[in-house]
Amino acid sequence: DAGITQSPRHKVTETGTPVTLRCHQTENHRYMYWYRQDPGHGLRLIHYSYGVKDTDKGEVSDGYSVSRSKTEDFLLTLESATSSQTSVYFCAISESRQGHEQYFGPGTRLTVT
Amino acid sequence: GENVEQHPSTLSVQEGDSAVIKCTYSDSASNYFPWYKQELGKGPQLIIDIRSNVGEKKDQRIAVTLNKTAKHFSLHITETQPEDSAVYFCAANGGNNNDMRFGAGTRLTVKP
Repeated sequence: DAGITQSPRHKVTETGTPVTLRCHQTENHRYMYWYRQDPGHGLRLIHYSYGVKDTDKGEVSDGYSVSRSKTEDFLLTLESATSSQTSVYFCAISESRQGHEQYFGPGTRLTVT
Repeated sequence: GENVEQHPSTLSVQEGDSAVIKCTYSDSASNYFPWYKQELGKGPQLIIDIRSNVGEKKDQRIAVTLNKTAKHFSLHITETQPEDSAVYFCAANGGNNNDMRFGAGTRLTVKP
């Protein structure tokens, strides 16, 4: 998985609780991405980062925030989890300014009850 | 924004046969088209990609073709093997290069 780890790999949480997912890379790539994967929707971009402290919204950013204080770490936070955020979350990295050649981590399965 | 449609959603072939998966996109500014293979419980793996200045690219048993005029691109797998069984996703980067849009996926089953 191209030097990308995600933690936790599985999490069950209750509606209304805050949740933070972590992506860690050892490739020193500048660009990092958070996607969610749901049946029938493929992967959808939540947020991405183009450098330390530089982030931007993706297609489905509502209800999510991100932070990147170090090159190697990109955090995804659900401030108040809802059942609609039950999904599998993938982190990806890229060296390309154009977003080419993105490499994905192993994923985090999040269940909100 | 970019919209990517992928067909078929499921595909079953006999070992040794060819498999073709097709995608269409809407944004004429798209210039990068990757294909990913995802095995059960794992993250998507980049298997091949094509840029808009090229019409076809081949890597061993895998090839991708791009028709910019018609806004569609296809993945071709020849001499399929059981280990090719997986879910395949196409994607296009749209006008905003970092906003990659994915198709809904094709579940390919190769029967021995």
